[in-house]
Amino acid sequence: EDQVTQSPEALRLQEGESSSLNCSYTVSGLRGLFWYRQDPGKGPEFLFTLYSAGEEKEKERLKATLTKKESFLHITAPKPEDSATYLCAVLGGAEKLVFGKGTKLTVNP
Amino acid sequence: KAGVTQTPRYLIKTRGQQVTLSCSPISGHRSVSWYQQTPGQGLQFLFEYFSETQRNKGNFPGRFSGRQFSNSRSEMNVSTLELGDSALYLCASSLWEGQPQHFGDGTRLSIL
Repeated sequence: EDQVTQSPEALRLQEGESSSLNCSYTVSGLRGLFWYRQDPGKGPEFLFTLYSAGEEKEKERLKATLTKKESFLHITAPKPEDSATYLCAVLGGAEKLVFGKGTKLTVNP
Repeated sequence: KAGVTQTPRYLIKTRGQQVTLSCSPISGHRSVSWYQQTPGQGLQFLFEYFSETQRNKGNFPGRFSGRQFSNSRSEMNVSTLELGDSALYLCASSLWEGQPQHFGDGTRLSIL
């Protein structure tokens, strides 16, 4: 069964303090790993798709990387508006998107 | 470009009733998936439809069902509601299977 574990569950940063979120996964036949951002009262917002180990994607202060067992979401010099819950999901051979429980990020000014 | 639209945004029902939720995907998207989100379990896959056919189903009881129409719009039905069905129900659409899914803002269902 495909599984996704995200850590930490919650993270508090000061504005400008860079850090990384972790997504560990087990999946049979990875077809894609997806990162989403979810704000309170909203649906998840798509950020990145990674398809193979070694791949990297960047968007503003966010950078996602992928290995054969985990993915990292690096946040460089975060701002308060980066506060949200970040979700990781994998799509494997079962063709069902499996989500982790997310990391709640709070960035204090 | 309009995003995924879900209606209604909020619903309050009592145990034993049934409910129908609606989802309009992004124009041109043919795949529609449904998820249940709760604080304890996170996002859990319910089912996926593509071209009016259910392609995949999660581990939910038969009380949960869905369908997709020829215009790709989808509905989800839950019968004989239980207290544990209280959750945020999210719909997502994509061009086809394997492509990034784009979510609506969900229907918040509360069971009294």
